[in-house]
Amino acid sequence: KAGVTQTPRYLIKTRGQQVTLSCSPISGHRSVSWYQQTPGQGLQFLFEYFSETQRNKGNFPGRFSGRQFSNSRSEMNVSTLELGDSALYLCASSLSMDTQYFGPGTRLTVL
Amino acid sequence: GESVGLHLPTLSVQEGDNSIINCAYSNSASDYFIWYKQESGKGPQFIIDIRSNMDKRQGQRVTVLLNKTVKHLSLQIAATQPGDSAVYFCAENKIQGGKLIFGQGTELSVKP
Repeated sequence: KAGVTQTPRYLIKTRGQQVTLSCSPISGHRSVSWYQQTPGQGLQFLFEYFSETQRNKGNFPGRFSGRQFSNSRSEMNVSTLELGDSALYLCASSLSMDTQYFGPGTRLTVL
Repeated sequence: GESVGLHLPTLSVQEGDNSIINCAYSNSASDYFIWYKQESGKGPQFIIDIRSNMDKRQGQRVTVLLNKTVKHLSLQIAATQPGDSAVYFCAENKIQGGKLIFGQGTELSVKP
């Protein structure tokens, strides 16, 4: 069974732009969570989607948003990019809503 | 606030020795704990988990111990190998909750 896939793997943007990241969960998994990983803040929870509904949300500004499609694929969007948004964005999927399996991440660099 | 922290940022062990990575958590309501391994350039990889109704769980070369009295979690790796070199994170969650709270991570370095 294929693991969690994320596209693109690397992205370079400039301040003020917006970006959309994509995540395809493991087949059959209906829960998708997003995390931001930075050297200074570690791994921080962004939001979680289950059956196309946002079920949990972390403490990030409204510039960070997401959605989930009927096939459980998820996207996250960051608008008006800031330098501090440079990070590894990780997506994780879950079958039982307990164990989360992570993708390889998207490395976003904001210049 | 809620937090999951690790006692040591780095741990260096000799190949073949046993490794112990520790973690403290503060949220008594958490009932599910997970250990992840993250290698450079990769996403976190699930190692082992434990529910709050257990105090020990064993996997292949790994054992997780949970002490709810002192809110402490540990990961033991037997016969540590160079391939075990990575950053290890503990995380806590509520069962059927989608929000993991991660610790800071411990970098394990295995010397041949």
